[in-house]
Amino acid sequence: AQRVTQPEKLLSVFKGAPVELKCNYSYSGSPELFWYVQYSRQRLQLLLRHISRESIKGFTADLNKGETSFHLKKPFAQEEDSAMYYCAHYSGGGADGLTFGKGTHLIIQP
Amino acid sequence: DGGITQSPKYLFRKEGQNVTLSCEQNLNHDAMYWYRQDPGQGLRLIYYSQIVNDFQKGDIAEGYSVSREKKESFPLTVTSAQKNPTAFYLCASSPTHSGNPDTQYFGPGTRLTVL
Repeated sequence: AQRVTQPEKLLSVFKGAPVELKCNYSYSGSPELFWYVQYSRQRLQLLLRHISRESIKGFTADLNKGETSFHLKKPFAQEEDSAMYYCAHYSGGGADGLTFGKGTHLIIQP
Repeated sequence: DGGITQSPKYLFRKEGQNVTLSCEQNLNHDAMYWYRQDPGQGLRLIYYSQIVNDFQKGDIAEGYSVSREKKESFPLTVTSAQKNPTAFYLCASSPTHSGNPDTQYFGPGTRLTVL
């Protein structure tokens, strides 16, 4: 079965410090990976997807097939980055929903 | 926000009762999904539907039922057979129904509490 692992339930960093939210997946094929974010009192929304290779709100994520990782990074954290972050995997085939990790609560301290 | 709506926002149910959660979207999306979100558990897929009049079980379908009679609507019924129904339920939709891992758009959620 596919699995997405986010090892940190909670990550607290100071404003201006670098941020790295870890995500590892278990899937032998070509994965399709996403990061979703849920800010306080807002609905869950897509942050970025690996096939786009884009930077959103200063965040980037690189797929590392050798390490089966898709870590989310930002060089300088901002207070508005505080939120729940979910890594998600889509493998297609019969189950067309996403497989989510358990989420990491990121807190940016002033 | 608009686009995909869920009602009610909060729902209370007595043990042994069935309850139906509403999900509507005006995005003309083909696919719709129901997830359950529990603290520390992330999101888990309950049911999904790729097209009208068709739906498939997800990872935790036991104790739930759905229907997809209209493209814009995908109601979820939490039956009395669901052992642990208290949770936050999220509905989502996406524009493609298979093959491409397109972006999923989420509703605001319904918090169900069983008394």
